[in-house]
Formats: sequence, C-alpha cells, structure tokens
Amino acid sequence: AQSVSQHNHHVILSEAASLELGCNYSYGGTVNLFWYVQYPGQHLQLLLKYFSGDPLVKGIKGFEAEFIKSKFSFNLRKPSVQWSDTAEYFCAVNERGDYKLSFGAGTTVTVRA
Amino acid sequence: NAGVTQTPKFQVLKTGQSMTLQCAQDMNHNSMYWYRQDPGMGLRLIYYSASEGTTDKGEVPNGYNVSRLNKREFSLRLESAAPSQTSVYFCASSDPTGLYNSPLHFGNGTRLTVT
Repeated sequence: AQSVSQHNHHVILSEAASLELGCNYSYGGTVNLFWYVQYPGQHLQLLLKYFSGDPLVKGIKGFEAEFIKSKFSFNLRKPSVQWSDTAEYFCAVNERGDYKLSFGAGTTVTVRA
Repeated sequence: NAGVTQTPKFQVLKTGQSMTLQCAQDMNHNSMYWYRQDPGMGLRLIYYSASEGTTDKGEVPNGYNVSRLNKREFSLRLESAAPSQTSVYFCASSDPTGLYNSPLHFGNGTRLTVT
C-alpha cells in the first residue's frame, strides 16, 4: 500500500517568513499529487494539484509546489506567509487510475503576527 | 450550490449504540468517499464508492458499513459504536475521468464522540 509522509508536524512562523512543507510518497509508479488546506473549523479545500507536465505548479493564495520524481517528493512552498495562512496542510497522493486518495498526517502551520 | 452536505454536524453516542451519517452531493459526481480524521493521523479512507451501485473498503473499514443509495447519496453506518470511533468524519465526492482523479470536494464534517 502506498504511504504519504509529511515531515513536519507543527511549524511556527512569523508573518513574511517563507514556508516550505515536505511531502514524500512511497509508490514508485505514476501518481497524481495534491495539497489540501484546512482552516480552523472548516473542511478541506484544494490548494493545488499535479497530474503531469511542468513539475512546478502554482495554486491559490500564492502557494506553489514542486514535483521531484527522483525524490518521490512534492513539497509545498510560499515565499511570504500571512497570518491568514494559519491552517493544517495535507499532502495527498493517488496512483494514476486508482480513485483512492491517500493523505499524509498533516502539518499544522501557525503564523504569528 | 450546496456542494457536499453532511448531517448531523455533531453527535454523541454511548458505546453499543448505532447511527447513520448522511451525505449528499449536488455536483453530479460519480465517486463518493468517507474519511475519518484523527489528530496526528491525517485522513484515513473508510469506504468509497467509485460509481453508483458499487462500494469498496478503504484503509479502516472495520466497524462501519456504507450504502450508496443513489448517485447523490452515500451513507455511513456504525452498527455498534465504540470509543475508538470517536473522530471527525468527512464525506467527499469527485468526478474522476480515466487516469486522473479530480480533486475531492469535502463536506463540513461530523464530529462524533462515543462515550
């Protein structure tokens, strides 16, 4: 079974700092990759997705992620965070053609004003 | 556009009681899912339904049953609740095409406590 690893459980930043969240997956075949965000008290929302093509993908709210196939990684970045980015972030992966989506354990990001 | 609607939002059960969590989507999606979210464990798939009339087990199906009533509705039943089933439950839907899984649309969740 495929697994998804997120390296940081809790990240605390000051506003304007840069953010990078790591995500690695175990499956060696072709995959679809996603980052979801869950703001306090809300349901998960899609930040960005990668299916194919340019490995650097841009999402909403200034987030981007880079797919590095050789490292089985899909790291999320934002150059300058805001207080409103305080949330929990989930990496998710599915094997191409399989509808089941596997999630990482999540990273809680706290941005201090 | 309501998206994915889950009921109830909160529920407290005693050990051994049963209940059904309801989920409906109005986006004409083929696939529907039930996940549970626990601290430090992310979301784990309980059951999913790739299309109307089909259901399959996910990572953690024990203690649960599901019914895909029609294309819109996908319910999750706890026959005999246990404290280990205390969690937040999310229903989701998507409309995958071929090799690509479209993004999941999530409901607002049901917070279940089993005492």
